[in-house]
Amino acid sequence: DQQVKQNSPSLSVQEGRISILNCDYTNSMFDYFLWYKKYPAEGPTFLISISSIKDKNEDGRFTVFLNKSAKHLSLHIVPSQPGDSAVYFCAARTQGNLIFGKGTKLSVKP
Amino acid sequence: SAVISQKPSRDICQRGTSLTIQCQVDSQVTMMFWYRQQPGQSLTLIATANQGSEATYESGFVIDKFPISRPNLTFSTLTVSNMSPEDSSIYLCSVEGGSAYEQYFGPGTRLTVT
Repeated sequence: DQQVKQNSPSLSVQEGRISILNCDYTNSMFDYFLWYKKYPAEGPTFLISISSIKDKNEDGRFTVFLNKSAKHLSLHIVPSQPGDSAVYFCAARTQGNLIFGKGTKLSVKP
Repeated sequence: SAVISQKPSRDICQRGTSLTIQCQVDSQVTMMFWYRQQPGQSLTLIATANQGSEATYESGFVIDKFPISRPNLTFSTLTVSNMSPEDSSIYLCSVEGGSAYEQYFGPGTRLTVT
């Protein structure tokens, strides 16, 4: 039973356009949501987070939106750059532990 | 942020053997975590390792299969015992980050069991 779901295994966008990565969850007890980025042969690196009491958090080109009623969050990257090409993991925290989705592979084409 | 190294970076092992993965952090940390990422799957927490106490294992993972050592505040090992092809995965260690909800990850160990 997956508590955190990323239903799109891959996404391809043009450089300069917006990338939107989606994530759905089932557990309403999650208190934080995070996005991690992973390049090949490297560990995941923290990108941005949002508390469950917020609905938006912005950091430069990255914005995370949280819709609690729909149990849905999304990561927007604007403008997308070729260096953003990586696997993006959505994660949710409960009782101190992180639960991860399967990831979405983003390809940004020049 | 913490700098984390893992050894080995990758290995190919025979069925029935064991492999010990090392995780070294450049600063002292209380909690270290071990994850597994099977092909096409999400990162799954195996156990949490605190220095000076026994590791806490998640449902589906047992100490006999994945013994963990945590001899000090900068080092931990995970052993994958009596390996089978189903153990082929990337194994990652992580530590708590600057905030309560963030974690820093090592580069991972890619294990293939034949």
